[in-house]
Amino acid sequence: DIRMTQSPSSLSASVGDRVTITCRASQSISTYLNWYRQKPGRAPELLIYGASSLQDGVPSRFSGSASGTDFTLTISSLQPEDFATYYCQQNYNTPYTFGQGTNLDIK
Amino acid sequence: DVQLVQSGAEVKKPGDSLKISCKGSGYNFATYWIGWVRQMPGRGLEWMGMIYPDDSDTRYSPSFQGQVTISVDESINTAYLQWSNLKASDTAMYYCARRAKAGGYTWFDPWGQGTLVIVSS
Repeated sequence: DIRMTQSPSSLSASVGDRVTITCRASQSISTYLNWYRQKPGRAPELLIYGASSLQDGVPSRFSGSASGTDFTLTISSLQPEDFATYYCQQNYNTPYTFGQGTNLDIK
Repeated sequence: DVQLVQSGAEVKKPGDSLKISCKGSGYNFATYWIGWVRQMPGRGLEWMGMIYPDDSDTRYSPSFQGQVTISVDESINTAYLQWSNLKASDTAMYYCARRAKAGGYTWFDPWGQGTLVIVSS
């Protein structure tokens, strides 16, 4: 299985801050990497697919990038609804493994 | 509107069997993979497997192979996740999600609302 390692595991920030979350794959996955946000008590929702493509309806403050086996999710200006847990997932091959999650909370 | 609606919460005893469901609407159900994801209490997301309704082709994560059965009834646009011998460690929220694709990329969207399964004696 491909292992996905996210960092940090948790992060405290304030409304308006710029934050970056990183995900590293244990082998090459090209850009078959997706990002999801999970608000407390809710199902996950897709933010980014193909490492850098913004899902329809997702605010432009979210962006994704890739460099080799390293991937980043950047939120340019945190909003109150962004305090949640974020997961990366590789869709390169099955099993489609997730990172362990990054919990973003209010400082 | 593309939508997945899951069956309601279940409370079962160890050793019980269980089948939970995920009904799709608003799209051609037969031609999109449906995946299942486990989230144990306070933990992260784990991909369990997926099924292609048109021909019932099924892929399992090795971690869940033999532990659960994924099936589908295309005639009623519904996918299922089934256990024959529940354990306390199966207590979790279970999500279904549609695998969409474009330009060679795939992703899971939308997701069902989740089905909470509690296994307790």
